[in-house]
Amino acid sequence: EAGVTQSPTHLIKTRGQQATLRCSPISGHTSVYWYQQALGLGLQFLLWYDEGEERNRGNFPPRFSGRQFPNYSSELNVNALELEDSALYLCASSLRESQETQYFGPGTRLLVL
Amino acid sequence: QKEVEQNSGPLSVPEGAIASLNCTYSDRGSQSFFWYRQYSGKSPELIMSIYSNGDKEDGRFTAQLNKASQYVSLLIRDSQPSDSATYLCAVDSNYQLIWGAGTKLIIKP
Repeated sequence: EAGVTQSPTHLIKTRGQQATLRCSPISGHTSVYWYQQALGLGLQFLLWYDEGEERNRGNFPPRFSGRQFPNYSSELNVNALELEDSALYLCASSLRESQETQYFGPGTRLLVL
Repeated sequence: QKEVEQNSGPLSVPEGAIASLNCTYSDRGSQSFFWYRQYSGKSPELIMSIYSNGDKEDGRFTAQLNKASQYVSLLIRDSQPSDSATYLCAVDSNYQLIWGAGTKLIIKP
């Protein structure tokens, strides 16, 4: 069974640009979660999508947004990039009936110059 | 604000010894508890889940839960250098996971 996949693995942008990160969940999983992990820091919850709807949002500004597609894959968009957005962005997925058991993808490392 | 607290470490343990990692949480209503392992530069990997008070064993790993005292711990027996990683504690609260900052574990050969 394929795990959670994310693309791209690395992304380099300059300040003010937009970044789009993609995630495909494990087959059969309907929930997708996005996290930010800055270097040496813990996981910060960004967004939770389930069945195409945004279910919860962490304490991040509106320039962090996303969506979930009918096939349950998801996109995270970060507008007006700032230097402090440089981090590892992790996507996780779960089954609807066990939403707290999350499985992570390999992450996208975003560098903002 | 629901919280999960972990000692950031690093916790240094000799090879072959028992490593003991602890986590406390604030939400008395939490029902599900998880330990993830994260190697440097990699994504977290689920290693244990526990839902009931007491101990749960899986190979060299034992998770312990005490809901009355609001703590959960992870014991690693016969520690190996490959166990060197950051261990993240996660606790469910209102249908989302609250994460600890992680404890860095170093196993010394």
